[in-house]
Amino acid sequence: AQSVTQPDIHITVSEGASLELRCNYSYGATPYLFWYVQSPGQGLQLLLKYFSGDTLVQGIKGFEAEFKRSQSSFNLRKPSVHWSDAAEYFCAVAHGGSQGNLIFGKGTKLSVKP
Amino acid sequence: GAVVSQHPSRVICKSGTSVKIECRSLDFQATTMFWYRQFPKKSLMLMATSNEGSKATYEQGVEKDKFLINHASLTLSTLTVTSAHPEDSSFYICSARGTRQNSPLHFGNGTRLTVT
Repeated sequence: AQSVTQPDIHITVSEGASLELRCNYSYGATPYLFWYVQSPGQGLQLLLKYFSGDTLVQGIKGFEAEFKRSQSSFNLRKPSVHWSDAAEYFCAVAHGGSQGNLIFGKGTKLSVKP
Repeated sequence: GAVVSQHPSRVICKSGTSVKIECRSLDFQATTMFWYRQFPKKSLMLMATSNEGSKATYEQGVEKDKFLINHASLTLSTLTVTSAHPEDSSFYICSARGTRQNSPLHFGNGTRLTVT
């Protein structure tokens, strides 16, 4: 069965430091992969997605993610974190190849120290 | 950009009453809408998929008689929590997908339901 694992429940980084949020997936075919961000009490905003092609994808707000098939990973990165990046981040895989039916990881909460 | 409006953002109701949550696509037609439930410190769990003009498809373990979904138009889907219990208290989020193939998903801002 398809699944998404985000090993880190909570990460704290200093403002200006680099960030990497881990995501591993289990999926039989080529996955459609997504990263979403959720601010407290809000819905989800799409940061970036991978369908095919270049394995390094660029997203909004300076985020990028790299698809590594050999590691079944799709880690999210940002070279310099801003205080406004503090939020919950969810990795997701599209179930059955349809990007509408998503399976989400449990999320990683990011805190940013001044 | 595409916007999905979810209303209300917060609702408090008494046990035994019903609550309706609306999900509207404001600037695009949504053939398919999805309803998720998010428990504290948990991920989003898909509850059901609603297609305009047809019955919703519920995920395993979701009571369809309790969580009534109606998708009567291409811009509106509603989730009605019937005979609400305190354990139904949660954050409910809808998402909508446009009519074109591989249209992206757009999420509403969610509804915080508290049942007292």
